[in-house]
Amino acid sequence: KNEVEQSPQNLTAQEGEFITINCSYSVGISALHWLQQHPGGGIVSLFMLSSGKKKHGRLIATINIQEKHSSLHITASHPRDSAVYICAVRKGGSEKLVFGKGTKLTVNP
Amino acid sequence: AAGVIQSPRHLIKEKRETATLKCYPIPRHDTVYWYQQGPGQDPQFLISFYEKMQSDKGSIPDRFSAQQFSDYHSELNMSSLELGDSALYFCASSFGPLPWSPLHFGNGTRLTVT
Repeated sequence: KNEVEQSPQNLTAQEGEFITINCSYSVGISALHWLQQHPGGGIVSLFMLSSGKKKHGRLIATINIQEKHSSLHITASHPRDSAVYICAVRKGGSEKLVFGKGTKLTVNP
Repeated sequence: AAGVIQSPRHLIKEKRETATLKCYPIPRHDTVYWYQQGPGQDPQFLISFYEKMQSDKGSIPDRFSAQQFSDYHSELNMSSLELGDSALYFCASSFGPLPWSPLHFGNGTRLTVT
């Protein structure tokens, strides 16, 4: 079983829809990252969380440490949001990130 | 603002050749991480450096070596290349290895071994 599980694997939405991507993990962590990867490969760090909630523009990320679960929400989705969204955790006591398999989001106009 | 710079962006090598990938972190960042992402795979941690010393090691083959230089840039040296080494190689940097340091990623080097 993967230490980081994401759902759904693929998500198709219409422009303007509210989107939620979920991440569950099974290990103790010191931080959780939400990353965005566009075709061509470049990775952009969206959020780093250790507790609570963060908001940046139309993006909101939450984490529940007790339940070992995090969600990434996109409000008023737009075709330019189409990308792979990856949840990655930094395990306690380690510097390396453990990545989820990613969620491929397609937003249609 | 300056970002993490990786070079080259694309590299094509033949089996058994060597390759050197370079990573230039964000100014004042002293910690560098290397990841390998095979086709359709999630990134796998290879190795990290803090203040020019190896700080953590993952699934890096013995054929690979890496180091961090005095200006904090890092190089990943890959020898006796195999077809399975074809992947996207990411570098990330942070200020200090603290668990709450934001990470910044480069655009990656896509290595194709033929």
